[in-house]
Parts: sequence; structure tokens; C-alpha cells
Amino acid sequence: GENVEQHPSTLSVQEGDSAVIKCTYSDSASNYFPWYKQELGKRPQLIIDIRSNVGEKKDQRIAVTLNKTAKHFSLHITETQPEDSAVYFCAAIKAAGNKLTFGGGTRVLVKP
Amino acid sequence: GAVVSQHPSWVICKSGTSVKIECRSLDFQATTMFWYRQFPKQSLMLMATSNEGSKATYEQGVEKDKFLINHASLTLSTLTVTSAHPEDSSFYICSARELAGGVYEQYFGPGTRLTVT
Repeated sequence: GENVEQHPSTLSVQEGDSAVIKCTYSDSASNYFPWYKQELGKRPQLIIDIRSNVGEKKDQRIAVTLNKTAKHFSLHITETQPEDSAVYFCAAIKAAGNKLTFGGGTRVLVKP
Repeated sequence: GAVVSQHPSWVICKSGTSVKIECRSLDFQATTMFWYRQFPKQSLMLMATSNEGSKATYEQGVEKDKFLINHASLTLSTLTVTSAHPEDSSFYICSARELAGGVYEQYFGPGTRLTVT
């Protein structure tokens, strides 16, 4: 089955700096890669996703890159703000598959 | 995006009792729903896949007789934790899958915090 690894497990940045979270996956058939943000005690919220036919996608301060050859994808948050503090999860799934496989999560702390 | 609700949001029960958690897709029909368990500071662990009108598919190590799943309609799946024990205390989150743009996207419920005393 699919295995998704996520690094780092914790990330502390100064407000205004950039944050980068990296994930690797094992199943080359995976072709949809969502990123979720989870605040304490709340549900995971989809913040951005990327499909395998695209190498990069950007939405305001958030961007995701995908390298299918190397089987890794990354989340980039620029100009971080305190409200970006949360746990971020990457995930992978095959379009024809049935279930998301999550990474272990990254706890991001943005210091004002 | 699509909305998924979950009820109750938190519950406290005594050891040995059963607890039922409901998951509803409010504005779309979901033939497939998923149940996750999340321990503090850990990732989401898939427990089972709930398919409307058929038996749930459980992940390895998850006791199907303890965690009963019923997906009786296209908008409702229930998880019943039977004979609950303190080690079952956790945050339970459901999600529902919607086909969008040729890809299934998953939306999560707000979660249910279960405490077994």
C-alpha cells in the first residue's frame, strides 16, 4: 500500500518568514495530493491540492510543488502570519483508489 | 466546499457502555464515507471505509465487532463504539467523499471527542 512520510514534524518560524513542509510517497500510481490544515480540536480543512499532471500550484501565500519522478511534494507558505499556526497534513491517493494516506503531520508555530 | 456534520461533538461515557456517532453529508450524496481516529499530537488513522448499502471495510487491527459501522443512506453513516473502554478515548473524525472534476475530494466532519471513564 501507499506510504507517505512528512518532514519536519515541528517547524517554528518568525512571522513574515517562509515555511516549507516536504512529503514523499511510495506508490507511483498516486496522482492526487491534498494538503490539510488542522487547528487544535477542529477538523482538517483542505487548503490546497495538486494533481499529477501539474508541477506547481499557487493560491495567494500558499503553493505546492510536485516532483513525480522523485515522488515528493512540498507545501510552501510565504509571509507567514500567527494564524498560520496549526498542524498541516499532506496526503496521497490514486484516482481509482479508495482511501487517502496521510503523512504524520507537521506542527507549525509562527512566532510574532 | 461540501459540508459534513458530525454528532455529537463530544461525549463522555462509562466503561462498558456503547456510544453512537453520526456523520452526515449535508449538501451532497456520499456513497463512501470514512472513519478516522486521532490520538493527541498524532496523525489521522483510518479505521474503516463505509459504503452505502454494503458492509464496511475495516483496516488491519481494527475490531469490526467493537466498532460497528452502518451506512444506511447516501447522507448518513454511523459509528457505534461498543463496550467502550478508557483506551477508546480519542477524537473520532468522519469524512465523506465527493466526485469533483474527475477526482474524489474528501471533506471532514468536525470530529467527536470521546472520553470513556
